[in-house]
Amino acid sequence: DTAVSQTPKYLVTQMGNDKSIKCEQNLGHDTMYWYKQDSKKFLKIMFSYNNKELIINETVPNRFSPKSPDKAHLNLHINSLELGDSAVYFCASSLREAGNTIYFGEGSWLTVV
Amino acid sequence: AQRVTQPEKLLSVFKGAPVELKCNYSYSGSPELFWYVQYSRQRLQLLLRHISRESIKGFTADLNKGETSFHLKKPFAQEEDSAMYYCASNSGGYQKVTFGTGTKLQVIP
Repeated sequence: DTAVSQTPKYLVTQMGNDKSIKCEQNLGHDTMYWYKQDSKKFLKIMFSYNNKELIINETVPNRFSPKSPDKAHLNLHINSLELGDSAVYFCASSLREAGNTIYFGEGSWLTVV
Repeated sequence: AQRVTQPEKLLSVFKGAPVELKCNYSYSGSPELFWYVQYSRQRLQLLLRHISRESIKGFTADLNKGETSFHLKKPFAQEEDSAMYYCASNSGGYQKVTFGTGTKLQVIP
């Protein structure tokens, strides 16, 4: 299946823990993103990478660190989790030449307790 | 910075009634505009793009540069249209795509 896939889909963890969410796309896209969707369904971009280079870094706490080992992968590591980090995190990708249509993963539901 | 405004958080219509989801953008150039849909607990997926000028699932959206709007319309709502709808704008290149705050469409049987 060609898609954007992210793991885990559900993650429940305690405050103060460190966790990672992995993302992979096999669409041959050159740009990958992390978006955060909060409880009010607001969708905000966190990071964007183009060919492994960071191009967008919104006002996100330093506890969030993206890593792109290659242009097909963009992982998100979160240190010292806080209650307010509870949200759905969407990985996405796009291809510049294809008009920047964004393809989303299924989301990772993070709950911090 | 570009902004996308969706003034309605919730829009409830009866099945068979017309639907219009409002979207206004702030970019002064020629943005790319999109509508994305998110069905319950699913991923966001592209519904349509303004440059395609296509109709998907009966939805259409016309870019009005004078009003800087890109409203989404459907003449007859169906129950399966119930979902969150996001308008999005891209000012070009691989700059960030900005999403509106979303409108929840609820179609009442």
